[in-house]
Amino acid sequence: GAGVSQSPSNKVTEKGKDVELRCDPISGHTALYWYRQSLGQGLEFLIYFQGNSAPDKSGLPSDRFSAERTGGSVSTLTIQRTQQEDSAVYLCASSHRLAGNTGELFFGEGSRLTVL
Amino acid sequence: EDQVTQSPEALRLQEGESSSLNCSYTVSGLRGLFWYRQDPGKGPEFLFTLYSAGEEKEKERLKATLTKKESFLHITAPKPEDSATYLCAVQAAGNTGKLIFGQGTTLQVKP
Repeated sequence: GAGVSQSPSNKVTEKGKDVELRCDPISGHTALYWYRQSLGQGLEFLIYFQGNSAPDKSGLPSDRFSAERTGGSVSTLTIQRTQQEDSAVYLCASSHRLAGNTGELFFGEGSRLTVL
Repeated sequence: EDQVTQSPEALRLQEGESSSLNCSYTVSGLRGLFWYRQDPGKGPEFLFTLYSAGEEKEKERLKATLTKKESFLHITAPKPEDSATYLCAVQAAGNTGKLIFGQGTTLQVKP
């Protein structure tokens, strides 16, 4: 069956460039999450969307980071003026309901971002 | 501040050698504690949810337990295919979306 799909799987960019990362959640899932995983580190929460409610942006590290979710489905994470410390794997996850109900998030395989 | 600490960072076991992974947490009211497995180059895969102290969940060779301060993931007679990074996460009461993850324990099981 179709899982969470992320693109690109790998992205190499130069410092100062903007990048867009895309996430296609599982059909019917109302909640969508973005996490960041740096080398050897745990997952760092960035943002989550639930239905038509205002997103929780409390994890975005700076105003260079933004995300949107169009039509309650596909999401795009945008990083402007990339810095070397932005290099990480960006993971998207979706769930049928808010994570607190079961804790079961379905993750994509991630987009590996390298900023030179 | 809500926090999750996992230990050890890395664990090497021989096939069949049972052991436990620890997840200590500090949270302002626990809504749930979650265990995930992550294989290299893959996203995390859900294993268990525990909601209250004393609760236990089992799946094949894995058993998760929960106290008021920590959770253990017990691995009985592990096999090489159990090699992975195991992640623990918590959700605070009143926070209806965010999961806070620990740094993980990387388990290697040698045949």
